[in-house]
Amino acid sequence: DGGITQSPKYLFRKEGQNVTLSCEQNLNHDAMYWYRQDPGQGLRLIYYSQIVNDFQKGDIAEGYSVSREKKESFPLTVTSAQKNPTAFYLCASSIQRGSTEAFFGQGTRLTVV
Amino acid sequence: GENVEQHPSTLSVQEGDSAVIKCTYSDSASNYFPWYKQELGKGPQLIIDIRSNVGEKKDQRIAVTLNKTAKHFSLHITETQPEDSAVYFCAASIGGFQKLVFGTGTRLLVSP
Repeated sequence: DGGITQSPKYLFRKEGQNVTLSCEQNLNHDAMYWYRQDPGQGLRLIYYSQIVNDFQKGDIAEGYSVSREKKESFPLTVTSAQKNPTAFYLCASSIQRGSTEAFFGQGTRLTVV
Repeated sequence: GENVEQHPSTLSVQEGDSAVIKCTYSDSASNYFPWYKQELGKGPQLIIDIRSNVGEKKDQRIAVTLNKTAKHFSLHITETQPEDSAVYFCAASIGGFQKLVFGTGTRLLVSP
């Protein structure tokens, strides 16, 4: 059953702690993306990766870090430097960057208290 | 910077009516325009997309139109059903990398 899996679905962390969100895909896609979704603001791009061992900052990368050591995995770390980390985080993948269908995971809702 | 504007932010219709959601984009180099449907607590799912070499595309009750000159595109849903209720996002590919930039979403409510 092919798809893109995010875990966990809900995550709670204390302020000041780093937290890593998991994203795995078995679609053999080259490109992977992380988006942040806040009410009334649509989806904003945090980081993207076109190939293994390469990634670029999106529009709101400050306070986040990523790695792409394997084609199927693109974890996102929300660091303590992120001022407003509470949000819904979505991971996506596509065969090619941008101009083809992006498949989304089910999202991780992060709450920092 | 590049952006995509989406209107309206909320749309309420009666079952069986049509619904239209409109988006405008700023980058004249954009060439791919997908529409996503997001149900509560889930990730967005692609419902239809269009490329810049065509002006209209249909898939059963949904259609998308593109006006490259005016830089706007629209989603049309006919014979709406309660299960069409969701948040709909438009997006446009932007720039040389062709990343997707999303609109702010439209919450569609279809009342029985």
